[in-house]
Amino acid sequence: AQTVTQSQPEMSVQEAETVTLSCTYDTSESDYYLFWYKQPPSRQMILVIRQEAYKQQNATENRFSVNFQKAAKSFSLKISDSQLGDAAMYFCAYRMYSGAGSYQLTFGKGTKLSVIP
Amino acid sequence: NAGVTQTPKFQVLKTGQSMTLQCAQDMNHEYMSWYRQDPGMGLRLIHYSVGAGITDQGEVPNGYNVSRSTTEDFPLRLLSAAPSQTSVYFCASSYSGGGSGELFFGEGSRLTVL
Repeated sequence: AQTVTQSQPEMSVQEAETVTLSCTYDTSESDYYLFWYKQPPSRQMILVIRQEAYKQQNATENRFSVNFQKAAKSFSLKISDSQLGDAAMYFCAYRMYSGAGSYQLTFGKGTKLSVIP
Repeated sequence: NAGVTQTPKFQVLKTGQSMTLQCAQDMNHEYMSWYRQDPGMGLRLIHYSVGAGITDQGEVPNGYNVSRSTTEDFPLRLLSAAPSQTSVYFCASSYSGGGSGELFFGEGSRLTVL
């Protein structure tokens, strides 16, 4: 079974600084997808960034970037120039396509990020 | 531009009561799923469907039933609610095929079972 581990239940960062959230996963597959989702207090799940395992280049989306280490099964999220609106719960997720349009998306337990003004 | 719509957003039940959480999407997504979110547990998959007439169990299916009669709708039924089912429930959908699509989530439904 695939597992996703977020070892930091809570983190904090000063506004305008950089923070990195950690995620490791366990899989025997070679073709899969990884995601970071953000959940602000509104409860809405918002996709932050995604990475396809077969792509060696790390994904970036504006201030958000990942460090994808496939061999180490590591997928960390870096937030640059942190803003107050970045305060949220962040979930790492692993998605494997298992054929016939079927997917299994497994989430980590989340990291609560606080941004200090 | 509705996306994924869940109703109700809040519900309080007594132990043993039944209810249905509704989920509808207007994006013609083949794949739909239900998750529950509990403190410190992340999101766990309850049931999912890859198309009308096809459903399958996820990680925590006990106590829940689903059906998929149309592409748009994927209701989640609790036949006899238990306090352990107190949680926040999310419906999510995506395109299928290729595995590269993102999941689109509803706003969540907070269920309390007394």
